[in-house]
Amino acid sequence: DTGVSQNPRHKITKRGQNVTFRCDPISEHNRLYWYRQTLGQGPEFLTYFQNEAQLEKSRLLSDRFSAERPKGSFSTLEIQRTEQGDSAMYLCASTTPGIPREQYFGPGTRLTVT
Amino acid sequence: AQKVTQAQTEISVVEKEDVTLDCVYETRDTTYYLFWYKQPPSGELVFLIRRNSFDEQNEISGRYSWNFQKSTSSFNFTITASQVVDSAVYFCALSEAGTGNQFYFGTGTSLTVIP
Repeated sequence: DTGVSQNPRHKITKRGQNVTFRCDPISEHNRLYWYRQTLGQGPEFLTYFQNEAQLEKSRLLSDRFSAERPKGSFSTLEIQRTEQGDSAMYLCASTTPGIPREQYFGPGTRLTVT
Repeated sequence: AQKVTQAQTEISVVEKEDVTLDCVYETRDTTYYLFWYKQPPSGELVFLIRRNSFDEQNEISGRYSWNFQKSTSSFNFTITASQVVDSAVYFCALSEAGTGNQFYFGTGTSLTVIP
């Protein structure tokens, strides 16, 4: 399977803990996006990378959220000092460069903060 | 302001009926792209179609068709002869060339096809 993969698929953590999620895009895709999806809502854009460069991060929800893509391949999304309001599905998507093309989404990481 | 509005939260139809899902968008860019995605109960978003702002031709793909009208800022999606497997949440999305290709999704329409 050469689709977008995300790990872990589920994460339960206690409030105040830090969590990190990983996304492995489709290998030839150099654009990678992170989204958050809460129940009954559409995906909400957080940030995106072209290769290792983070081209947009103003929509990250707070300074507790950060993302990296150090070698231009996989990416990580970290949430520090988690809050109950962070409970959501975190989606990763990848695409080829250039004009906006269809994004291929991973299965998501469901975060539950207790 | 919401850039993509999907006013229909939930729709139920009986199998074999036709159904249209509405999408209205808002943008000041002259170059933009519109998308539809399907999110089945399994949860993974599946790409259905992309349209750019310079191409208003309607498109048909099997039982699916899309009606893009710039005059009304709408990009509606019709499923003909619906099937139970069409049951899913459908999202419309917008990407503007002027905002770094960020994607804006609507809130989705949950379609239930009753056998």
